Amino acid sequence: AQTVTQSQPEMSVQEAETVTLSCTYDTSENNYYLFWYKQPPSRQMILVIRQEAYKQQNATENRFSVNFQKAAKSFSLKISDSQLGDTAMYFCAFMKHVEGKLIFGQGTELSVKP
Amino acid sequence: DSGVTQTPKHLITATGQRVTLRCSPRSGDLSVYWYQQSLDQGLQFLIQYYNGEERAKGNILERFSAQQFPDLHSELNLSSLELGDSALYFCASSERGTGQYEQYFGPGTRLTVT
Repeated sequence: AQTVTQSQPEMSVQEAETVTLSCTYDTSENNYYLFWYKQPPSRQMILVIRQEAYKQQNATENRFSVNFQKAAKSFSLKISDSQLGDTAMYFCAFMKHVEGKLIFGQGTELSVKP
Repeated sequence: DSGVTQTPKHLITATGQRVTLRCSPRSGDLSVYWYQQSLDQGLQFLIQYYNGEERAKGNILERFSAQQFPDLHSELNLSSLELGDSALYFCASSERGTGQYEQYFGPGTRLTVT
């Protein structure tokens, strides 16, 4: 069975600085997808970024980028120029290519301080 | 706004009761997913429907059931409720039922069992 582990329950960063959230996963699959979701205090689940396992190039979305290390089964999220609105719970998630269900990590609570 | 709607937003009920949570997917999406978010279990996949048929089952209790109707809306039925069923229940939808299609989450239904 696939598992997703986020080893940092809480993190904080100063506004405008850079922070990296860690995620590791375990799978025997070769084709899969990895995601970072953001859950602000409103509780809405918002997709931040997505990575296809077959792509070697790391995904980027504006200030958000990932470091995908397939052999190490590591998928970290880097947030550059952190903003107060980035304060949220961040979840790493895994999905097999042929399935639709998301398997989530336990989450990292990020606080951006002014 | 993801385009996925869930009703009700909040639900307070007593142990032993039965409730129905409703989800309307985004226009054109054929697949619906239900997730449960609780403090002790985190975010867990419950069940997936695709075009009216059950596609995948996760950690869904026997007391829980779901269905997807011809108009593609879905209902999650929770019966013989226990205190531990208190959680945030999310519905998500995607165009198809496999990994290459992004899942869009609804705002959730907060269930409190007293």
